[in-house]
Amino acid sequence: AQSVSQHNHHVILSEAASLELGCNYSYGGTVNLFWYVQYPGQHLQLLLKYFSGDPLVKGIKGFEAEFIKSKFSFNLRKPSVQWSDTAEYFCAVIYSGTYKYIFGTGTRLKVLA
Amino acid sequence: DVKVTQSSRYLVKRTGEKVFLECVQDMDHENMFWYRQDPGLGLRLIYFSYDVKMKEKGDIPEGYSVSREKKERFSLILESASTNQTSMYLCASRRRDSRSYEQYFGPGTRLTVT
Repeated sequence: AQSVSQHNHHVILSEAASLELGCNYSYGGTVNLFWYVQYPGQHLQLLLKYFSGDPLVKGIKGFEAEFIKSKFSFNLRKPSVQWSDTAEYFCAVIYSGTYKYIFGTGTRLKVLA
Repeated sequence: DVKVTQSSRYLVKRTGEKVFLECVQDMDHENMFWYRQDPGLGLRLIYFSYDVKMKEKGDIPEGYSVSREKKERFSLILESASTNQTSMYLCASRRRDSRSYEQYFGPGTRLTVT
């Protein structure tokens, strides 16, 4: 079955630390990949997306993600986190030919000031 | 600025009640979605509508129904609420021909069934 795995459920970092959140999807062909973020009390919003081309994509607020096709991965990174990055992060995939997002289980990030 | 609104942020209902969750979008999007969000389970699709009066079941449709009488409004109905339907419910919309597939989410309704 098509699925998305996020291995880190809870991450706690100090400000200025580097962040990497893992995301793997099951094999199934051509994919479109996304990271969404949900800040406390706010609605879910798109952080960045990958469709094709350069496998390193940049999003809002200094986030980036790298698509590694051989590893079925789309890890999210940020060189230096801020307290305001405290949020829940969701990886998602749409397989080519389908309409439906498949979401990972989410990673709760807490950044300590 | 795009906007998806949901009728309530918090709702408390009793077991067996009929519950209506309303979602309205002002972007003229054809596609609308209902998800439930549970800790450790992420977002799971309940129902999807691709046009007025058109709907498709998602991954977990049991115990739910939907209604789309107008393009901007998509309602989720719990015919007889049960405690295992206590959850956060998210509505989303997207343009049908969007090459970006970006979905716009509402703020969510936290439903508690007692």
